[in-house]
Amino acid sequence: DAGITQSPRYKITETGRQVTLMCHQTWSHSYMFWYRQDLGHGLRLIYYSAAADITDKGEVPDGYVVSRSKTENFPLTLESATRSQTSVYFCASSESGGISSYEQYFGPGTRLTVT
Amino acid sequence: GQNIDQPTEMTATEGAIVQINCTYQTSGFNGLFWYQQHAGEAPTFLSYNVLDGLEEKGRFSSFLSRSKGYSYLLLKELQMKDSASYLCAVKSNYQLIWGAGTKLIIKP
Repeated sequence: DAGITQSPRYKITETGRQVTLMCHQTWSHSYMFWYRQDLGHGLRLIYYSAAADITDKGEVPDGYVVSRSKTENFPLTLESATRSQTSVYFCASSESGGISSYEQYFGPGTRLTVT
Repeated sequence: GQNIDQPTEMTATEGAIVQINCTYQTSGFNGLFWYQQHAGEAPTFLSYNVLDGLEEKGRFSSFLSRSKGYSYLLLKELQMKDSASYLCAVKSNYQLIWGAGTKLIIKP
């Protein structure tokens, strides 16, 4: 049972490059989320998806693009990386994103450095 | 605005009890979560409260007072492996709003 995986685990890229972070879950969870985690800040939601082909912006969406053509995959693309996007990125999934109590399950994270 | 406050860091002794507080001001409330995050790892779910009162789960308990916008996580019989960050998150309007986390240091 693989659960939720992310790739790559570590990435170094240059300013201006396009980067795609991959997220894959095997539970068929409806909801998927992308967060970034920076020192001194809580997890901040970038984008989320309620189902295949349904995505919506979170708190900090600028500079990021997502897609969800299949339930199990939710890639995050940085169109033109900037140093301020250096962070740890977590993907998460949940059975439901409504008002119910379903917890979110997190992938292992991708540590991205933009030079 | 949306705001969740937790102490930045706490220190406790192995075998002791520690209480980590979380206060929140959010535009909506559909429940409060506590997660544990070891350094360099992903957050993992600890507890969920939606009604006022205490929820106990082994050595960990979580309390909620909705009228006060307040929750705490109580850890008993502390072990060295409990050294981690503890994240408070409020479900507000279908999204989770996260506190910055409390780093708990356990000393022998």
